[in-house]
Amino acid sequence: DADVTQTPRNRITKTGKRIMLECSQTKGHDRMYWYRQDPGLGLRLIYYSFDVKDINKGEISDGYSVSRQAQAKFSLSLESAIPNQTALYFCATRWGDEQFFGPGTRLTVL
Amino acid sequence: DQQVKQNSPSLSVQEGRISILNCDYTNSMFDYFLWYKKYPAEGPTFLISISSIKDKNEDGRFTVFLNKSAKHLSLHIVPSQPGDSAVYFCAASADRTGANNLFFGTGTRLTVIP
Repeated sequence: DADVTQTPRNRITKTGKRIMLECSQTKGHDRMYWYRQDPGLGLRLIYYSFDVKDINKGEISDGYSVSRQAQAKFSLSLESAIPNQTALYFCATRWGDEQFFGPGTRLTVL
Repeated sequence: DQQVKQNSPSLSVQEGRISILNCDYTNSMFDYFLWYKKYPAEGPTFLISISSIKDKNEDGRFTVFLNKSAKHLSLHIVPSQPGDSAVYFCAASADRTGANNLFFGTGTRLTVIP
């Protein structure tokens, strides 16, 4: 089984809808991250969490919110999705210098 | 502004030859650098890293070189194999032990031709 899992893997939604992307990890790491990847822009950090009580905005947090329900779970929400949030979203954990990524969620907002 | 840049979006190399992937950065506070490899439909996976106190780190077929004065690093793969075909991301951090996070480049798609 994968150490970092994301659900759903693919999602198509409409403008204005609320969407939640979920991330779970079995690695026991405290630090968790949400990134988005866009063509030509690489990975950009949306939010990160150092533990259940510590959540921080990243480089591009506008339009997103997160919830750290437990050490193992970190969810990303789009309260009112818009087309420019169409992207590939990655969750990651961190241990020391290394980040461990989930397989990604491809989100399309029509 | 993109603090970590990979100016070559793609690279094609014959199997057995050397692949050289380049990365430039602008923030002089970066002191730790990593390369990640990404296959389609998978998340990036860690490949190799280097601290700013070194100028070279080698792991099997993979070697990363760091030129701090030029704010440039490169990943060498020798010999290249078809299984190396993937997108490679360069990343940098300003504080490997603290709160600072990774800044990623835009990626280079490597194709190794059999």
